[in-house]
Amino acid sequence: ETGVTQSPTHLIKTRGQQVTLRCSSQSGHNTVSWYQQALGQGPQFIFQYYREEENGRGNFPPRFSGLQFPNYSSELNVNALELDDSALYLCASSKTSGGAGEQFFGPGTRLTVL
Amino acid sequence: AQTVTQSQPEMSVQEAETVTLSCTYDTSESNYYLFWYKQPPSRQMILVIRQEAYKQQNATENRFSVNFQKAAKSFSLKISDSQLGDTAMYFCAFMKLGSGTYKYIFGTGTRLKVLA
Repeated sequence: ETGVTQSPTHLIKTRGQQVTLRCSSQSGHNTVSWYQQALGQGPQFIFQYYREEENGRGNFPPRFSGLQFPNYSSELNVNALELDDSALYLCASSKTSGGAGEQFFGPGTRLTVL
Repeated sequence: AQTVTQSQPEMSVQEAETVTLSCTYDTSESNYYLFWYKQPPSRQMILVIRQEAYKQQNATENRFSVNFQKAAKSFSLKISDSQLGDTAMYFCAFMKLGSGTYKYIFGTGTRLKVLA
């Protein structure tokens, strides 16, 4: 069973640029969530996708957007990058039926905005 | 809105000894899950243990057990026979059931160091 993978591992951007982060869900999972983890903090929920539709959103502005594809892989897009967007971005996949709420996390993408 | 509080930013324990990490949460919901996740240095976050709120019995997983006090909204993690591999950040997380969104609310974490 292949776990959750994310790419790239690290990324450096400048303020105002746009970035796309990618996630491949664990086999058999149809739900993906994205979290932002600032240094020294717990992860903060950005949004969740279920069967290619956004299924819940945290307190993040619209410049954070996402996509989920038919194979359940996912992208997180951030426009007009700000310095505060520097963080570890985590993707997590889960089953909506069964699994008792457990989410399986990827290793994350470390984004640095200069 | 739900909140999760971990009041111990850092803890250390000697190898083979027992340590307890604290977590409190605030919610008006009655149906929810609570989790402890472990995030080793530069490695993926993995589930340590899960507790369903409707279950009175405390969850256990080998050396890991919880003390779930629903009325007090407390969910502590006990690690017995601590091992060097237990060194990691530990996050307590809350998930409401029934909303259709599998959204975790995380605490700020406790950094645990197991000393040889």
